[in-house]
Amino acid sequence: DIQMTQSPSTLSASVGDRVTITCRASQSVSNRLAWYQQKPGKAPKLLIFRASSLESGVPSRFSGSGSGTDFILTISSLQPDDFATYYCQQYNLYWTFGQGTKVEIK
Amino acid sequence: DVQLLESGGGLVQPGGSLRLSCAASGFTFSSYAMSWVRQAPGKGLEWISIIIVSGETTYYADSVKGRFTISRDNSKNTLSLEMSGLRDEDTAVYYCAKMKGVGAYVPSDSWGQGTLVTVSS
Repeated sequence: DIQMTQSPSTLSASVGDRVTITCRASQSVSNRLAWYQQKPGKAPKLLIFRASSLESGVPSRFSGSGSGTDFILTISSLQPDDFATYYCQQYNLYWTFGQGTKVEIK
Repeated sequence: DVQLLESGGGLVQPGGSLRLSCAASGFTFSSYAMSWVRQAPGKGLEWISIIIVSGETTYYADSVKGRFTISRDNSKNTLSLEMSGLRDEDTAVYYCAKMKGVGAYVPSDSWGQGTLVTVSS
């Protein structure tokens, strides 16, 4: 099984900050990596697919990079609506989610 | 707009059975793979099953293999999850999700609101 490890688990940031979340796979997943945002009590929302492709309707302040085993989600300027939990997911060999990164208000 | 509406959750005793359904609308259901993902209270996301467009190929997480069965009825735009041998650790919100394509090795681009399954005596 492919394990996905996100860091940090919790991130404290302020509105306007540049935020980066890292996701590491236990083996190569090529570029089959997605990022989701989830708010409390709500379903996840797809942000990024194929490691760096922005899902339709997602603000351009979100971006993704990486390939193989190391990936990054970047929020260029954190907005009040962005405080949430973020998950990476590999879909190269079956499907595995990372454990999540909670972005909270500093 | 894509709409996915789960139903069938509730309280069930350990060892019991439950059938979840997901009514899909707003897209051509028969053209997309579908999945079930669950989230235990206060925990992260866990994919549990995926079914391709024809229904002929299914995938299961090891944690539910042999106990859960995914199926779809393309004529009724409905996805189902038959769960048996339920355990305490199956307690979770179960989400129905549309895959971003006909195949299984794609992300999920639309999700339902979830239905809560509680396994407890």
